[in-house]
Amino acid sequence: AQKITQTQPGMFVQEKEAVTLDCTYDTSDQSYGLFWYKQPSSGEMIFLIYQGSYDEQNATEGRYSLNFQKARKSANLVISASQLGDSAMYFCAMRNTGNQFYFGTGTSLTVIP
Amino acid sequence: NAGVTQTPKFQVLKTGQSMTLQCAQDMNHEYMSWYRQDPGMGLRLIHYSVGAGITDQGEVPNGYNVSRSTTEDFPLRLLSAAPSQTSVYFCASSSPGLAYEQYFGPGTRLTVT
Repeated sequence: AQKITQTQPGMFVQEKEAVTLDCTYDTSDQSYGLFWYKQPSSGEMIFLIYQGSYDEQNATEGRYSLNFQKARKSANLVISASQLGDSAMYFCAMRNTGNQFYFGTGTSLTVIP
Repeated sequence: NAGVTQTPKFQVLKTGQSMTLQCAQDMNHEYMSWYRQDPGMGLRLIHYSVGAGITDQGEVPNGYNVSRSTTEDFPLRLLSAAPSQTSVYFCASSSPGLAYEQYFGPGTRLTVT
């Protein structure tokens, strides 16, 4: 069974500091994709970053990076230099070879000025 | 490009009523899916489609029907609404393949009384 686990229901970070949001996954597939999405209070889902299971380098997109540890089945999101606009829900997701996406339960991030 | 559009934005139903949530995309994406989002549970896959004429069940398909007669449209039908179907519903689309992120519609907030 495929499963995504986000163990941090809520996180706080000081503005301009870095924060790591945890994500572990469980799959028997050899090929899969890992994604992070942001959901601000307005409700839309915004794609942030992607990591392929065979990618050897950690993905980076601006202030977002993905700390991918395949053997531990973890795909943590690192946000550097937090901004007030980063306050939102963050979801980790996995796409399997059957084209299904599985989402975690999310982490609510609050950036404190 | 309008991206992924959903109608209506809000809907209130009485128990036992039926309705269709509309979803359309103009990006020529083969893959489309429907999710429901409930507090503390992340996004759960209801049904998905890998192309016109092909649909399949996700994690929580009971009480919902879908069809995919065109690439653009993927409506979700509630056959006999129940209070347990009160949720926010998201439609999403993507190209097939592990590396492609999903594009989400703005969501439909459904309340069943």
